[in-house]
Amino acid sequence: QVQLQESGPGLVKPSETLSLTCAVSGYSISSGYYWGWIRQPPGKGLEWIGSIYHSGSTYYNPSLKSRVTISVDTSKNQFSLKLSSVTAADTAVYYCARAMIVAPGYFDYWGQGTLVTVSS
Amino acid sequence: DIQMTQSPSSLSASVGDRVTITCQASQDISNYLNWYQQKPGKAPKLLIYDASNLETGVPSRFSGSGSGTDFTFTISSLQPEDIATYYCQQYDNLIFTFGPGTKVDIK
Repeated sequence: QVQLQESGPGLVKPSETLSLTCAVSGYSISSGYYWGWIRQPPGKGLEWIGSIYHSGSTYYNPSLKSRVTISVDTSKNQFSLKLSSVTAADTAVYYCARAMIVAPGYFDYWGQGTLVTVSS
Repeated sequence: DIQMTQSPSSLSASVGDRVTITCQASQDISNYLNWYQQKPGKAPKLLIYDASNLETGVPSRFSGSGSGTDFTFTISSLQPEDIATYYCQQYDNLIFTFGPGTKVDIK
């Protein structure tokens, strides 16, 4: 059974960089699929942030691209998110998920999510 | 960019009722449309992919249809455990976009 678990600071100061890691178990990242980050501000809808392949190939949401870096560590079977210059608008629950990037393109396994609050 | 709309934004129905949610894309997305269920405090769960294919283990009371720009999600007989927010999601040119969601509760 594929399992994903997000980890990282729950509080980040404005203008700093948000950093999260997603540990994958039950499936080797190197075996295929893309791996993605999705966020959800409190009481609002879902927003895709970006996705990465085990080779390091990445695709980002154009609205966040200038601030986002997603990386992968196949030796640890995990991938990470960095979001720079955060503001209160970046406060959200951040989910990691396995992404099927071949059409129809969907997320079939999700982590439980982690709340990140941006506040001084 | 492709925009997604859903209607209604919320609905109340009785147990056993047939519930229908619509999702519209701003341009033709073929059948590259997926549906998720999100219960409060939980991660979304994939229910239907490719517009009409039921994910393994999902009850058959859930179904989807449509192609092009107009899609429908149906719960044939609403159950108490179906209380959740439902999202459509499209995939085009390596970009994923979610609809705004439809909150379903029991009348």
